[in-house]
Formats: sequence, C-alpha cells, structure tokens
Amino acid sequence: GENVGLHLPTLSVQEGDNSIINCAYSNSASDYFIWYKQESGKGPQFIIDIRSNMDKRQGQRVTVLLNKTVKHLSLQIAATQPGDSAVYFCAENIRGGKLIFGQGTELSVKP
Amino acid sequence: DGGITQSPKYLFRKEGQNVTLSCEQNLNHDAMYWYRQDPGQGLRLIYYSQIVNDFQKGDIAEGYSVSREKKESFPLTVTSAQKNPTAFYLCASSIDRTEAFFGQGTRLTVV
Repeated sequence: GENVGLHLPTLSVQEGDNSIINCAYSNSASDYFIWYKQESGKGPQFIIDIRSNMDKRQGQRVTVLLNKTVKHLSLQIAATQPGDSAVYFCAENIRGGKLIFGQGTELSVKP
Repeated sequence: DGGITQSPKYLFRKEGQNVTLSCEQNLNHDAMYWYRQDPGQGLRLIYYSQIVNDFQKGDIAEGYSVSREKKESFPLTVTSAQKNPTAFYLCASSIDRTEAFFGQGTRLTVV
C-alpha cells in the first residue's frame, strides 16, 4: 500500500542540540502534511503543518521542510529539551480526505 | 470547551463479543477518523468519514464497522470478526486540509 515511512525509528540527542527527524512519502496526490508528537498513552498532538505549495515553514523552535521532488519531509527541532522526548509522526493528507500516518520516530533527549 | 472525546478510556472484551467505542466532537468538523495503534507502532487507518451518512474504508477495515448518523458522532464497533482487537484506538476530527485533532484514546483488551 502507499504509506508514509520514516528513515530512523529511534533518535537520541543531547539536550541543547538540534534534532532532525525524516519522513518519506510515496503518494504524489498528497497535498498537505502534518507533524505530530505523541507522548506515552496519549493521543497525538499537532506540531506543525505544511501545504504542497510551500517548501519550508517555521514555528516556535520547529521547522518543517518539504521536498516534493524526492517526496521527503523533515522536522527540525532547535535546542532540543527533555520535554521534547516523545514519538514523532508525519502524516499526509491525500486528496479525497484520507489522512495516513508514518511509522514514527522515538526521540530521546539526554540531559 | 471544544474538543473531541473518546469513551471509555479502558475497555475489556470477551472473545466473540462486539464492542462499540464512542467518539464525539463539538468542533463542528466535517471529517472524522478512526485509527488503531499497536505497541511501538504507528497509526493505521481503520475508517474515515468526510460528511454525515458517508464513510470509507481505510487500510485495515476488516472486522470493524462504523456509522456517521450525526456530524458530532462517529462510533466504531469492533466485531467478533476482528481476530486480534487488543490495541489502542484513536479517533480524530478535522476540517479538510487542516490539522486533525485527536481524542485521548481507548485501550481495548481482550480477556
């Protein structure tokens, strides 16, 4: 099937460093992408989104980059903090309404 | 408070029983989704609905059923045909091409 896949299942970073989480998508009909953060036992929380007519979007300490040529999405977290430790998912919204999630990357921040 | 509410938080099912998970939203969102999450895994789409009285199968619809009689409600029934129903179930809602808001999930266990 057509799924969003992640390159790294786990990522460990030092507190204060920048984190980069990657995601590959395969559906060329996707036109909207979202990054979510999920803490253990809870529902995913929205972090940042980007539409297919953009290649970069910045939020507070987070930046999403979209490369449609190679169907790649990344989430950059600046000055990573212990509270950023969680599982991060990318999701793609396929025209027609389907919202598909990737496998997830577990981010661990070492103090 | 506006939001999306799932109930119950924990649910136990005997083998061979059907159970229904509740999902209610007061965000006036047209789209609603059901996902299944297994430990250490991503979210897999079970069913989604873009408008009242209409819904589509996701990637793992077998053994599940839904209804969308009201805009606010999208209940999921886990039938006895679902052979491995133990999982964390997440409901979400959205306006098309905006971020989906998630409930806090229902943890279903077969006993």
